[in-house]
Amino acid sequence: SQQGEEDPQALSIQEGENATMNCSYKTSINNLQWYRQNSGRGLVHLILIRSNEREKHSGRLRVTLDTSKKSSSLLITASRAADTASYFCATDEVDSSYKLIFGSGTRLLVRP
Amino acid sequence: GAGVSQSPRYKVAKRGQDVALRCDPISGHVSLFWYQQALGQGPEFLTYFQNEAQLDKSGLPSDRFFAERPEGSVSTLKIQRTQQEDSAVYLCASSLGWGARTDTDTQYFGPGTRLTVL
Repeated sequence: SQQGEEDPQALSIQEGENATMNCSYKTSINNLQWYRQNSGRGLVHLILIRSNEREKHSGRLRVTLDTSKKSSSLLITASRAADTASYFCATDEVDSSYKLIFGSGTRLLVRP
Repeated sequence: GAGVSQSPRYKVAKRGQDVALRCDPISGHVSLFWYQQALGQGPEFLTYFQNEAQLDKSGLPSDRFFAERPEGSVSTLKIQRTQQEDSAVYLCASSLGWGARTDTDTQYFGPGTRLTVL
């Protein structure tokens, strides 16, 4: 079974626009991570945010975490065609921190 | 340096056949993970090794699934008597440490093996 739900399931935007994806989860966590998956390729780690952090930036990525609502968002600014991919959030479990539990993903299409 | 590699990249098996999927983790990585990803879904945890010890196999769907990492490096996921519901992408990941609490424990994923059972 999967921990989280991502919203929206699919998103289509124009190059240069911002893309926002949301993730909700069910249980207490140590941290939350976002991964990107291009078609036919493996998952690439984007960013990790700890449960005691509220916001984190990395390049064009901005992640927020609200542990009271058990939700996170990923913002990609100034999107590029190369950002086209599926994006997954992944949480761990407090008692088994090695085990990543993935959401169902958001499929992002950035139109040139 | 080299990332996680998996072989074969694609495998087609007839129902009832046994298959073996190989994972070469990043050199020196202590932890190794196997995940199963069904079409249109996120990966689901199968099993976890710390060096050669299999510490968690709670995600293996049935006793037809078996994983090993005898020398603490290369790992093999074996599926016996494959069924159509085993069709999925099998992802291997490795990490330097043994948790997911810090950036040093980031899991690095291989490209996966796409298994199709006819």
